[in-house]
Amino acid sequence: RKEVEQDPGPFNVPEGATVAFNCTYSNSASQSFFWYRQDCRKEPKLLMSVYSSGNEDGRFTAQLNRASQYISLLIRDSKLSDSATYLCVVNKGTDSWGKFQFGAGTQVVVTP
Amino acid sequence: DAGVTQSPTHLIKTRGQQVTLRCSPKSGHDTVSWYQQALGQGPQFIFQYYEEEERQRGNFPDRFSGHQFPNYSSELNVNALLLGDSALYLCASTREVDYGYTFGSGTRLTVV
Repeated sequence: RKEVEQDPGPFNVPEGATVAFNCTYSNSASQSFFWYRQDCRKEPKLLMSVYSSGNEDGRFTAQLNRASQYISLLIRDSKLSDSATYLCVVNKGTDSWGKFQFGAGTQVVVTP
Repeated sequence: DAGVTQSPTHLIKTRGQQVTLRCSPKSGHDTVSWYQQALGQGPQFIFQYYEEEERQRGNFPDRFSGHQFPNYSSELNVNALLLGDSALYLCASTREVDYGYTFGSGTRLTVV
């Protein structure tokens, strides 16, 4: 089993619709969680951190479910500019400080 | 404020050669990590440097080595290049890992 797993997609989303996808992780000791977005042939850019209580940043909402070991990202009112690959990132734990594990990414395509 | 800068942006090398990639972290960042990203995959952790020492290492052979300088800049060296080393090499820096990493735009290495 991979340490961080994501549905590769693509998720084809009409403009204005809502899309949500999950990321599962295997290490129960993982401490920090993030969502990054990556545009084609560009570097990953931090989208948001994921907190235990869940957090929202504009149209983006991130949730953490420690019991089931997954994080989720929800995008409301999708824009064409939201088309990208979304990477789930997990920090492996206190003995692996800063050793971030990336998922392979979920591709989102927003269509007019 | 300059972000993470990497050089060169593109590189073509022959199998068996050696290569050195360079990274200057974002101002105020003291921790640098290197990642390898193959096409269609998420970034894979190579190693992390802090206070001029390798602190964490991923599952990469000893052909991959690095260095961090007193000004926090870093180098990634790869010896005896293989065709499979062709990838985008990303440098990421942070001051505090709980806030996530900032990535450079990467060096695209092609081994022929």
